[in-house]
Amino acid sequence: GENVEQHPSTLSVQEGDSAVIKCTYSDSASNYFPWYKQELGKRPQLIIDIRSNVGEKKDQRIAVTLNKTAKHFSLHITETQPEDSAVYFCSNAGNMLTFGGGTRLMVKP
Amino acid sequence: DTAVSQTPKYLVTQMGNDKSIKCEQNLGHDTMYWYKQDSKKFLKIMFSYNNKELIINETVPNRFSPKSPDKAHLNLHINSLELGDSAVYFCASSPENSGNTIYFGEGSWLTVV
Repeated sequence: GENVEQHPSTLSVQEGDSAVIKCTYSDSASNYFPWYKQELGKRPQLIIDIRSNVGEKKDQRIAVTLNKTAKHFSLHITETQPEDSAVYFCSNAGNMLTFGGGTRLMVKP
Repeated sequence: DTAVSQTPKYLVTQMGNDKSIKCEQNLGHDTMYWYKQDSKKFLKIMFSYNNKELIINETVPNRFSPKSPDKAHLNLHINSLELGDSAVYFCASSPENSGNTIYFGEGSWLTVV
């Protein structure tokens, strides 16, 4: 079945530093890799996604990279700010749309 | 306008009761979902449903059942509630059943006492 593993489960960085979260997946047929951000008490919302025909995508301070050979994709946040503090989820967009276990990112001012 | 709306937002109920959470989406999506988020923040898929197929996560107890009166609604019924059912339940929808963005409702906080 479809499976996605996410690391680390918690990440604490100083404001201004970079943060990297990595996910690995098992389904070779996967072709869509989204990342969601969930702020405290709120719903998860899409922040960036990538399709398998590209290796990297950027949107201001966030970027996602994809390595299809190794079956992993990563979320990169540069110049972190306190408002980046949240739980981040990767997803394996297969039929059951499973999520990774989540990464709690804490940005210390 | 809220794209995916679910009610109630908060629900406190006793063990053994039967309850329902309603969900509606006005995005015209074909597929809807129910997710359970526990205290550790894991997002666990419970059901995936479109107008053709219901996919059930086999780990979900049969006390949980989805009901879809039409394409825009997917309600969640829970029978004989247990303490371990306490969680946040998110309804969601997407344009297809894979490869597209999922839009979540605001969540329903269920507490079983």
